[in-house]
Amino acid sequence: DIVMTQSPDSLAVSLGERATINCKSSQSVLYSSNNKNYLAWYQQKPGQPPTLLIYWASTRESGVPDRFSGSGSGTDFTLIISSLQAEDVAVYYCQQYYSTPLTFGGGTKVEIK
Amino acid sequence: QVQLQESGPGLAKPSETLSLTCTVSGGSVSSGSYYWSWIRQPPGKGLEWIGYIYYSGRINYNPSLKSRLTMSLDTSKNQFSLKLRSVTAADTAVYYCARSASSSSYRPLDAWGQGTLVTVSS
Repeated sequence: DIVMTQSPDSLAVSLGERATINCKSSQSVLYSSNNKNYLAWYQQKPGQPPTLLIYWASTRESGVPDRFSGSGSGTDFTLIISSLQAEDVAVYYCQQYYSTPLTFGGGTKVEIK
Repeated sequence: QVQLQESGPGLAKPSETLSLTCTVSGGSVSSGSYYWSWIRQPPGKGLEWIGYIYYSGRINYNPSLKSRLTMSLDTSKNQFSLKLRSVTAADTAVYYCARSASSSSYRPLDAWGQGTLVTVSS
């Protein structure tokens, strides 16, 4: 299984400031045949299911604000919220879909400072 | 726009079988365009992928649960189902159904149900 490790477990950021979340996979999720990273980010607000934010490591899902951006390749990935808004309070998960079993990181809780 | 809705008993007794159904609207489980997955989340914890089923009947289970799992499709009702046998308290979780696009390789989970809490307790 590919193990996904996120850091930090939680962070508190002031409104309008940047939030940075890291995700590391135990093996590369870069598919050499198409040069795509099989890495997604999800947002889960309290009491709600996760929603897809970013896929292919850096492609925003339709309707996701451009303050959310993803980067990285191979085994190291980052989700950045460039200017934190109150509605961004949530737990964020990375997930690899390179191989089954599909696996998720442990989550990063983002709060307002 | 596709919608998924989980249903089933909210309580299961230890050693018994947990049974859940996901009803899909705005899309078809027999279209061949998607994999249909189950994911669970113990209270206050992270996400665990349980497995997926495809319209052809192809199934992929998480090896950690494979020995206790059965997934099935009912195309006449546009539903897919999960049975987990011999449950323990460790199976207490919110269970989600979700879909991902089918392709020569995997895709992210782009639509989720609201989830249903199943508690295992005597």
